Amino acid sequence: EVQVVESGGNLAQPGGSLRLSCAASGFTFTSHSMNWVRQAPGKGLEWISYISGSSSTIYYGDSVKGRFTISRDNAKKSLYLQMNSLRAEDTAVYYCVGGSGRLFEYWGQGTLVTVS
Amino acid sequence: ETVMTQSPVTLSASPGESVTLSCRASQSASSNMAWYQQKPGQAPRLLIYGASTRATGIPARFSGSGSGTEFTLTISSLLSEDFAVYYCQQYNNWPAITFGQGTKLEIK
Repeated sequence: EVQVVESGGNLAQPGGSLRLSCAASGFTFTSHSMNWVRQAPGKGLEWISYISGSSSTIYYGDSVKGRFTISRDNAKKSLYLQMNSLRAEDTAVYYCVGGSGRLFEYWGQGTLVTVS
Repeated sequence: ETVMTQSPVTLSASPGESVTLSCRASQSASSNMAWYQQKPGQAPRLLIYGASTRATGIPARFSGSGSGTEFTLTISSLLSEDFAVYYCQQYNNWPAITFGQGTKLEIK
């Protein structure tokens, strides 16, 4: 059974930092790309970052570029998101999403980040 | 950035009916289109990818079609569990992945 579990969401002050973690199981982690997708309260979905299985390719959305850093530890089957210089508009549920290539197949239940 | 526009914003229907949700891309997405279902308090679930391929475990009453800039998701014989918010997503303009704003399918 596929399981994706995020953690690390919390209340942070503007300008502060948070680190999100994601633990994955039930699929071959090393051969799947991973993404972070967020959803502001009552709003739609926004893709924010991608990392390939080998970490050789990384992308960010414009809204987080230069402030957030994605990384992964394949030995621990874990994904991370270091969030710096947080803003009120970063308030959202953050989803860890795995998939083959460009597909978003495996979603966690999300972790809430509140910047206030 | 490829802007995805979904219509209608809200759709009211009754169980047993068939509905069609639309998604328009501001530039060609080829067939690199996916659809997701999201229920309150839950994560999105992948329904369709490649514009028309059902994801693993998705019932046949869900079907997708289209290419280029116009796409549709059809749900036939609605069940109570199908009432949710549906999002389209283009992954053609990689890595600038974009989602539509969502269509809420509600019970009439």
